[in-house]
Formats: sequence, C-alpha cells, structure tokens
Amino acid sequence: EAGVTQFPSHSVIEKGQTVTLRCDPISGHDNLYWYRRVMGKEIKFLLHFVKESKQDESGMPNNRFLAERTGGTYSTLKVQPAELEDSGVYFCASSHLRTGGTQYFGPGTRLLVL
Amino acid sequence: GENVEQHPSTLSVQEGDSAVIKCTYSDSASNYFPWYKQELGKRPQLIIDIRSNVGEKKDQRIAVTLNKTAKHFSLHITETQPEDSAVYFCAASNVNAGGTSYGKLTFGQGTILTVHP
Repeated sequence: EAGVTQFPSHSVIEKGQTVTLRCDPISGHDNLYWYRRVMGKEIKFLLHFVKESKQDESGMPNNRFLAERTGGTYSTLKVQPAELEDSGVYFCASSHLRTGGTQYFGPGTRLLVL
Repeated sequence: GENVEQHPSTLSVQEGDSAVIKCTYSDSASNYFPWYKQELGKRPQLIIDIRSNVGEKKDQRIAVTLNKTAKHFSLHITETQPEDSAVYFCAASNVNAGGTSYGKLTFGQGTILTVHP
C-alpha cells in the first residue's frame, strides 16, 4: 500500500509570492489533515477534511491560506501571498474513517519564505 | 481547546539504558493518545498508541502508560539502541464513541532523544 505523498518536497519562494502544496492521501482514506511545524516547535493542526468537506479549519492562521480537496481525493494548500512567518514544514496526514484515529503522515513539504 | 505538555525537551541516554518521556493533557474528552517518532528529514511514524479504556500497552521494547485521572501518559523505551535516536512527539485526540476516526491531533512540543553507543 502506498503511503501519503506530498509535493514538492522543498520550496523556496520570496515574500509576496504564491505557493501551492499538494497531498495525496492513502487510497480509501476519507480523512485528510494538514499540519505545520515551525522550526523547533510542535506540530500544529491546520485543518481537517472528511472527503471533500472541511470538517474543522480552526487551525488555519489567516485568509492567506486556502485548502481544497475537490473530489475527495488529493488536497492542495495554497499560500497567497506568502509571508516570512509561513516558513516551516507542512505535513499532510490521512486516516480511514473506521480505524479509530490512526493518522499516517506524509514526508512533508519544507517551505522557506525569503 | 486541548493543550499537551511534553517533557523533557531533550533526553540523552547510554545505549542499553531506559528512556521515559512524559506528557500531560488538559481536555478530559481526549481518548486517543498516539506517539510518533520522527527521524531527521523523515516523516513522523506512529510507534505506539493507547486509548482511554486501557491503562498500559506494550510492544516489544516500547510501552505506554495512561493515567486518566491525572491526565498524563508516558512513553517508556527499554534497552535503548542508537537507532532509537530521533524526535518523539506525543499527541492527544478525541475519537468518537462509534470508533469513527475523527478530530485533530494536538501535539506536545517534542523530545529529542539521543542514544549514545
């Protein structure tokens, strides 16, 4: 079974530019989560999709962040315009509706905003 | 909302020693507590988890204990090996009574474990 994949693995952009991160969850996983780890700090929740619907977006920092999951498969997270404080590692995780919470993480996208 | 505190932030042990990492949580509704291991540059990997209806769970050299009354849970690694060196994260979540996966993970701050040969 293929794991969660994320693209790109790294992205370096300048302040004010736009970046789009992609996450492909494990096939059949209806739950998809986005998290972010700022250097040296804890992994923080951003939002949660159940299929194509946003279940919880309480962790989204502001309206510069837009997440979508059209068709309930892969998801994208767009940051527009990027600010310096958006730098960090963005993780995606997925879980099956009936595995009782076990979330499987992707390798992350390392975003650096200069 | 949920708040998870994790200690220590760094832990250095000699190969063969035991390592213990402790976490406390604030929300009594949390009922699922996973532990993730993240090696440098890699994805967080689930190593063990425990649900609130169980007080202890063991998997080879790794064990987790949960005290619901005190709202704390701990990771115990015995006979540590250099390959155990990594960042360890505890987390808490609320999985609903039907067992349907639900809800975000709230993570602790992480513990950098170094096992010296």
